[in-house]
Amino acid sequence: QVQLQESGPGLVKPSETLSLTCTVSGGSISPYYWSWVRQPPGKGLEWVGYVYYSGSTSYNPSLKSRVTISVDTSKSQFSLQLRSATAADTALYYCARLAGGFMDVWGKGTTVTVSS
Amino acid sequence: QSALTQPASVSGSPGQSITISCTGTSSDVGGYNYVSWYQQHPGKAPKLMIYEVTNRPSGVSNRFSGSKYGYTASLTISGLQAEDEADYYCSSYTSSSTLVFGGGTKLTVL
Repeated sequence: QVQLQESGPGLVKPSETLSLTCTVSGGSISPYYWSWVRQPPGKGLEWVGYVYYSGSTSYNPSLKSRVTISVDTSKSQFSLQLRSATAADTALYYCARLAGGFMDVWGKGTTVTVSS
Repeated sequence: QSALTQPASVSGSPGQSITISCTGTSSDVGGYNYVSWYQQHPGKAPKLMIYEVTNRPSGVSNRFSGSKYGYTASLTISGLQAEDEADYYCSSYTSSSTLVFGGGTKLTVL
């Protein structure tokens, strides 16, 4: 069955770029959409954005100016870049497969702390 | 986009039924049958429980059901069990081709 694994630095300095990668195993990256969701400590889920296997994207309007999500089909990976990180970006970041309008497969999540 | 509106908490006794509401607008819940529900236990990733308003993924108990009327979707859990105690989130596709979550509801099984 399809499995997702997030990876990336657990600590990012303020004003720097938060970068994460999600590796897809056990299935094909096409023809699906792939999404990032985050959860600040003690708070609810926030949708960050998604990328189609062909590369088209959609982002949360509140993050759109700072976010880029890309896909590398040759590596079965998709990535998140969040520029100008602040403490408010500290969260547990999940990657997920988007099948239509719902997320049916989730990674276990990775914690990112933004701090100097 | 604004988060969908869910009650902060609901509770029920074992065996009872509870319903969690999720209210949006004509641009999300009311405009599309792309409402989904997720269960999240502490320290765990969310789990899809309902998709496209009423559909259950394989392996999800038939005690979980979904519905929608107008701008409000609902998740009903019948025959409450201790293991159902968790946080529940609704989500909807929007007219801007984005997704939006509800604020989450903490279910307590008394």
